[in-house]
Amino acid sequence: KAGVTQTPRYLIKTRGQQVTLSCSPISGHRSVSWYQQTPGQGLQFLFEYFSETQRNKGNFPGRFSGRQFSNSRSEMNVSTLELGDSALYLCASSLGLGSYNEQFFGPGTRLTVL
Amino acid sequence: QQPVQSPQAVILREGEDAVINCSSSKALYSVHWYRQKHGEAPVFLMILLKGGEQKGHDKISASFNEKKQQSSLYLTASQLSYSGTYFCGTAITGANNLFFGTGTRLTVIP
Repeated sequence: KAGVTQTPRYLIKTRGQQVTLSCSPISGHRSVSWYQQTPGQGLQFLFEYFSETQRNKGNFPGRFSGRQFSNSRSEMNVSTLELGDSALYLCASSLGLGSYNEQFFGPGTRLTVL
Repeated sequence: QQPVQSPQAVILREGEDAVINCSSSKALYSVHWYRQKHGEAPVFLMILLKGGEQKGHDKISASFNEKKQQSSLYLTASQLSYSGTYFCGTAITGANNLFFGTGTRLTVIP
């Protein structure tokens, strides 16, 4: 079974630009969660999507948004990039809603904002 | 809401044992353990649900003390491949949003 895939793996952008990251969950998994990982703040939850609906949201500004498609693939978008947005963005897929589900991470997209 | 992990770092010789602890100030629904190697994504190790169960596979096991809101990860007879940073992710609601600790860097030397 293929794992979670994320594209692109690396991105370099400049301040003020916007970026879209993509995540394809494990086949059969319907929940996709996004996390930001930085050396200073560690792993922080961004949001979770299930059945094309955002179910949970972390404490991030509105510049961070996402969506999920009918095939469970998900995208996240960051608008008006800031230097502090440089991070590894990870998506995790799980079978369904509920914290009793195992979450499996993709390889991540490393975003550098110059 | 972020759990506290201890120790922050540990160095082991091959074959030695280690315990990594994860404590939360909030009541927990579940605890998820991951290992991350440098430059790679976190790899799922195991999940513990409230109820105080203990889990394990191979030489890695974990426990969850629901009353104390603590979980411990036990690594026995460590191997070089165990090196990495271990994270606990805690769920304080029934939802999938996990709060992660700051990690424990484990280094196994020959």
